[in-house]
Amino acid sequence: GAGVSQSPSNKVTEKGKDVELRCDPISGHTALYWYRQRLGQGLEFLIYFQGNSAPDKSGLPSDRFSAERTGESVSTLTIQRTQQEDSAVYLCASSLIHSSYNEQFFGPGTRLTVL
Amino acid sequence: GQQVMQIPQYQHVQEGEDFTTYCNSSTTLSNIQWYKQRPGGHPVFLIQLVKSGEVKKQKRLTFQFGEAKKNSSLHITATQTTDVGTYFCAGHRYDKIIFGKGTRLHILP
Repeated sequence: GAGVSQSPSNKVTEKGKDVELRCDPISGHTALYWYRQRLGQGLEFLIYFQGNSAPDKSGLPSDRFSAERTGESVSTLTIQRTQQEDSAVYLCASSLIHSSYNEQFFGPGTRLTVL
Repeated sequence: GQQVMQIPQYQHVQEGEDFTTYCNSSTTLSNIQWYKQRPGGHPVFLIQLVKSGEVKKQKRLTFQFGEAKKNSSLHITATQTTDVGTYFCAGHRYDKIIFGKGTRLHILP
C-alpha cells in the first residue's frame, strides 16, 4: 500500500473488555513498531517486530498487552481487560529493516477510549 | 537506563520569531532523527543526523548534532503558522530507539 494503515481509527470500549487493534505496514517493510501516545504526551515504545526474529517486548506495560505479527505483514495489538488508563492513541510504524539508519513511517493511529 | 530528554515541553512564539528545541541524551548516540507531528496527525520523519558535529538545513529549519553525539537541536528561523505542531527527537543507540517527549510549538498570529 501507499502507507501504513491502521484500523479502527477510533475505538470506544467499556472497562474490562478486550480490544484488538490492527496495523498494515508498508509492503516490503520488515520492521514494525507499536507506540502508545497519551493525550499531549510523547511516544511510548511498546513492541517491535523484525522479520521472523523474536519481537522486542520490552515496552509492554503489563501482561494485558500482547501483539502478534504474521511474517512481514499485518500486526495486531491486543489489550485484555482494558482499563481507563489504557485510553490513548496507539500508533503503528514500519521501516525497511530495524536499523538506526532507517526512518519510521507512521500510520494514522487508533484512538482508544475506555469508559 | 537510556534517556532522551527534550526541552522545552511547550513553546509559544509570535509568528516571525525564531524557535529552538533541544534534545539531550544520557548516553552517546549512534544517530538521531527528528519527526514532526501536526495537531491531530501522526509523526512524520524530517531528518537524520549521524556524524559528530553535523549540521543540516531544510529551508528555515537547521538541525545540529553535538560533537559528543549526546545532544541535538532543531532551530526554526522566522516561524510560520505551518510550523505548528510537536517536534520529536529519536535517539538511536545499538538496538534501541528512544523518543523524546516532544516540544509542542504554538504560533501566535
